[in-house]
Amino acid sequence: AQKVTQAQTEISVVEKEDVTLDCVYETRDTTYYLFWYKQPPSGELVFLIRRNSFDEQNEISGRYSWNFQKSTSSFNFTITASQVVDSAVYFCALSEASGGTSYGKLTFGQGTILTVHP
Amino acid sequence: DTAVSQTPKYLVTQMGNDKSIKCEQNLGHDTMYWYKQDSKKFLKIMFSYNNKELIINETVPNRFSPKSPDKAHLNLHINSLELGDSAVYFCASSRGHIEAFFGQGTRLTVV
Repeated sequence: AQKVTQAQTEISVVEKEDVTLDCVYETRDTTYYLFWYKQPPSGELVFLIRRNSFDEQNEISGRYSWNFQKSTSSFNFTITASQVVDSAVYFCALSEASGGTSYGKLTFGQGTILTVHP
Repeated sequence: DTAVSQTPKYLVTQMGNDKSIKCEQNLGHDTMYWYKQDSKKFLKIMFSYNNKELIINETVPNRFSPKSPDKAHLNLHINSLELGDSAVYFCASSRGHIEAFFGQGTRLTVV
């Protein structure tokens, strides 16, 4: 069974600080996909990134970066020089590629509430 | 143009009523989903349809019935609403394991 754990329930930082959101996953599949979504106070779910299990390259997009390590089953997300607009709930999610009755299913972590203070 | 749109955005209703939430996607995706977000923000899949065929049904009470008239639409009908059904319901669509795009959510409050 697949599982995603985001151990940090809430994080509070001051603007311009760097912050890392942790994500640990469990799966028996050798092929799987990892995702991060952002849920701002307005409530919608915004896709941030997808990573497949074959690609362990770290990725950087502006102030966002992601560190995928299969050896520790982790897919951590770092925001550099945080801003107030980064305040949101961030979800890590896993999708197994085995298909069948789980085709496309996203299993989400519990979410991390990030508050960035001015 | 909204990629995944669901209506209504807010729904307040009394216990025992029947209600529907509609969802439409204009992305040409082959798979659509319903997710439920509870009061603690936990997101869990309820159903998925691939090309109008039910693929996932995650131990949801049979008071919840999804209906997919075509690939672009997936509606959720809920019978005999209970207080515990209060939550935010998200519709989503994807092409296989490409990222799922979510609608803006429907906040259902049962009183």
